[in-house]
Amino acid sequence: GNSVTQMEGPVTLSEEAFLTINCTYTATGYPSLFWYVQYPGEGLQLLLKATKADDKGSNKGFEATYRKETTSFHLEKGSVQVSDSAVYFCALRLMNTGFQKLVFGTGTRLLVSP
Amino acid sequence: KAGVTQTPRYLIKTRGQQVTLSCSPISGHRSVSWYQQTPGQGLQFLFEYFSETQRNKGNFPGRFSGRQFSNSRSEMNVSTLELGDSALYLCASSARLAEDQETQYFGPGTRLLVL
Repeated sequence: GNSVTQMEGPVTLSEEAFLTINCTYTATGYPSLFWYVQYPGEGLQLLLKATKADDKGSNKGFEATYRKETTSFHLEKGSVQVSDSAVYFCALRLMNTGFQKLVFGTGTRLLVSP
Repeated sequence: KAGVTQTPRYLIKTRGQQVTLSCSPISGHRSVSWYQQTPGQGLQFLFEYFSETQRNKGNFPGRFSGRQFSNSRSEMNVSTLELGDSALYLCASSARLAEDQETQYFGPGTRLLVL
């Protein structure tokens, strides 16, 4: 089946620290990969995406590279801020199926202290 | 452009009642998907509607249903509510353009509490 595995949280960092949140996937077909972020009391916001192998998605200092050989899409940021505290979800969507269904990981909570 | 809107934002119901949630997609978007978010099960796909037709359905009982109107607005209905239906219900819309440009945009969600 199709699934996404994320590292367990919470991830606790000090401001300006380097962030990595691991994400690996299993897919029966060819997926697009996404990172969404959820701030307290809010819905999901798209952070970045990649649609083919070796693509790098980036936004607001966050980056993730689609690695087909390791079936991974790890999220990184060089210097986190307190405002980055949120829950981060890795997700996949199978391409060429005609369906919009996203398969999500369990989410990783990030806590950044001043 | 206005984002995805969902109404109501919060809802309290009792077991056995039914509930209807509403979602207005981004203008021009014709696909609407619904997801349920709970602490135990995480984010799970409910169904997707495109051009008033259900295109895909997740693994939920028949008590969960939905529909889409000609203006792309969508509603989901849950009948005979159970305690376990307490969740954040998220709606997402997309334009359904080229496959590699497709992105789903989420609304703020409706938080349903079943007592």
